[in-house]
Amino acid sequence: DAGVTQSPTHLIKTRGQQVTLRCSPKSGHDTVSWYQQALGQGPQFIFQYYEEEERQRGNFPDRFSGHQFPNYSSELNVNALLLGDSALYLCASSFRTLSNEQFFGPGTRLTVL
Amino acid sequence: QQPVQSPQAVILREGEDAVINCSSSKALYSVHWYRQKHGEAPVFLMILLKGGEQKGHEKISASFNEKKQQSSLYLTASQLSYSGTYFCGTGNNDMRFGAGTRLTVKP
Repeated sequence: DAGVTQSPTHLIKTRGQQVTLRCSPKSGHDTVSWYQQALGQGPQFIFQYYEEEERQRGNFPDRFSGHQFPNYSSELNVNALLLGDSALYLCASSFRTLSNEQFFGPGTRLTVL
Repeated sequence: QQPVQSPQAVILREGEDAVINCSSSKALYSVHWYRQKHGEAPVFLMILLKGGEQKGHEKISASFNEKKQQSSLYLTASQLSYSGTYFCGTGNNDMRFGAGTRLTVKP
């Protein structure tokens, strides 16, 4: 049983560029949440997708957008990259709500130069 | 609002016990606990849903006090493998994590 997978593993971009990160949830899970984790800090909630819609959003600008596909996989898009967007981006999946277990993928390390 | 964790860091010898606390200024309906090792993703440990509910994972257990809006993680007879940063997370569909507690277990 495959767990949560993310691609790519690492990514280097320059300021102003756009990036797309991808996530496949654990088998049986239908909810995907995205987090940003800066070095030495806890994960910060970006948004959650359920039934192909954004269900909740954290305190992130509109430059951060996402999508969920019918197979429950998800994408995170970040436009007009800033140096401060450099971080580990984590995807986590769960079944229906966060009243159930949440499993994280290995993350995508994004470096903005 | 993110929960507050204490202590920020703790150093133990193998076999010693530790308690990590997580408190919130908002009403808690559930608390998640995770452990993250350096360079890896957070690993789910347990979820507590009801007030007073206690759960266990190996020699790691947790309690949840709804009235006090806090949860505590208990690590008993710590092992080297327990080293890492522990995070509590609260929220329904928008999980907020504490800043983490760095636990180091030495031989």
